[in-house]
Amino acid sequence: AQKITQTQPGMFVQEKEAVTLDCTYDTSDPSYGLFWYKQPSSGEMIFLIYQGSYDQQNATEGRYSLNFQKARKSANLVISASQLGDSAMYFCAMREVAQGGKLIFGQGTELSVKP
Amino acid sequence: DAGVTQSPTHLIKTRGQHVTLRCSPISGHKSVSWYQQVLGQGPQFIFQYYEKEERGRGNFPDRFSARQFPNYSSELNVNALLLGDSALYLCASIVSGRANVLTFGAGSRLTVL
Repeated sequence: AQKITQTQPGMFVQEKEAVTLDCTYDTSDPSYGLFWYKQPSSGEMIFLIYQGSYDQQNATEGRYSLNFQKARKSANLVISASQLGDSAMYFCAMREVAQGGKLIFGQGTELSVKP
Repeated sequence: DAGVTQSPTHLIKTRGQHVTLRCSPISGHKSVSWYQQVLGQGPQFIFQYYEKEERGRGNFPDRFSARQFPNYSSELNVNALLLGDSALYLCASIVSGRANVLTFGAGSRLTVL
């Protein structure tokens, strides 16, 4: 069965520093996609970055990068040069290719950026 | 272009009542998914609709139902509300592309008293 595990309920980082948010996943399907979303206190889920299971290189989107280690089934999010506005909940999610609109989410990590 | 819009944004109901939540996907998007997010947890998949047909259903009781209209907007209905149905209900439409990214609305926050 698909499963996403985020083991860090909360993280603190100093402004301008880098931070890594952990995510491990479990699936028996060779074709899947991994996503990270940010959820500010307003509630809206904001897409950050995507990694396909067959992608050879780690995904990057501006200050966000995904450290994809397929053999370890991990997909950690790295945020460089943290900003105060990065304070939010962060969710890792997975979709098996055949599942269309169904994402499996982890429990989330609450990131707090300190000035 | 407007994003995914949901209404109402907040509502309060009592146990046993019925609720209808509404969602309009991004213009031209034919697929809508519904998720329930209980406080302190990640969202859980409830339904997906594509071209007015149900394409997937999560592990939710039959009290939960949904439909999609010809204009691709959607309604989520919950009957016989329980206290445990209190949650943020999120709607998403799929942005077609390599990743088929789900774009979410701001949600409808339901409180059941």
